[in-house]
Amino acid sequence: GQQVMQIPQYQHVQEGEDFTTYCNSSTTLSNIQWYKQRPGGHPVFLIQLVKSGEVKKQKRLTFQFGEAKKNSSLHITATQTTDVGTYFCAGTQSGTYKYIFGTGTRLKVLA
Amino acid sequence: EPEVTQTPSHQVTQMGQEVILRCVPISNHLYFYWYRQILGQKVEFLVSFYNNEISEKSEIFDDQFSVERPDGSNFTLKIRSTKLEDSAMYFCASSESLASVQLYEQYFGPGTRLTVT
Repeated sequence: GQQVMQIPQYQHVQEGEDFTTYCNSSTTLSNIQWYKQRPGGHPVFLIQLVKSGEVKKQKRLTFQFGEAKKNSSLHITATQTTDVGTYFCAGTQSGTYKYIFGTGTRLKVLA
Repeated sequence: EPEVTQTPSHQVTQMGQEVILRCVPISNHLYFYWYRQILGQKVEFLVSFYNNEISEKSEIFDDQFSVERPDGSNFTLKIRSTKLEDSAMYFCASSESLASVQLYEQYFGPGTRLTVT
């Protein structure tokens, strides 16, 4: 079945450093969403990417969707302690209504 | 801001018992989902629901699971005979649309922690 992997599994950074998580799907995706889950919390939607090669920015966050629509990345510039949490990508294949979540990257920011 | 609510926040049950987890999606949303997350692991899709029927379900969603929208506001997940491995956080989510080209995100509820002993 479809698998969505994320690397790294964990990342510890000093406050102010940059952070990137990579999302790789075993199959071509129709679209991809990114979510943030704070410790003890629920997933909160960040963004959705639909087009091949799409790049979107939200303040310090930059999201990319690969040309082949099989991978995606989230880059955070100058991390802050409020960025702590687990970042998940979630993708669907064309013709399905099932979001497959990635394995997640847990980010810890050291002040 | 509208939000998805779930009850109870924590449910403890004995193996073999039936449990019903309840969700109230955002009122103008049309699509509903259940996910589960075993502690420290990824979020796993269980089922999506639209127009009073299941749109799609995962391999996890076997005959022990069922969903219902009994009264136009609640959305429930029933596990008929719980197993130890059903212990997890169960999240309900809703969205305005399932269509991938629409920029409609899924809004997640706070979750119900199910503990099967």
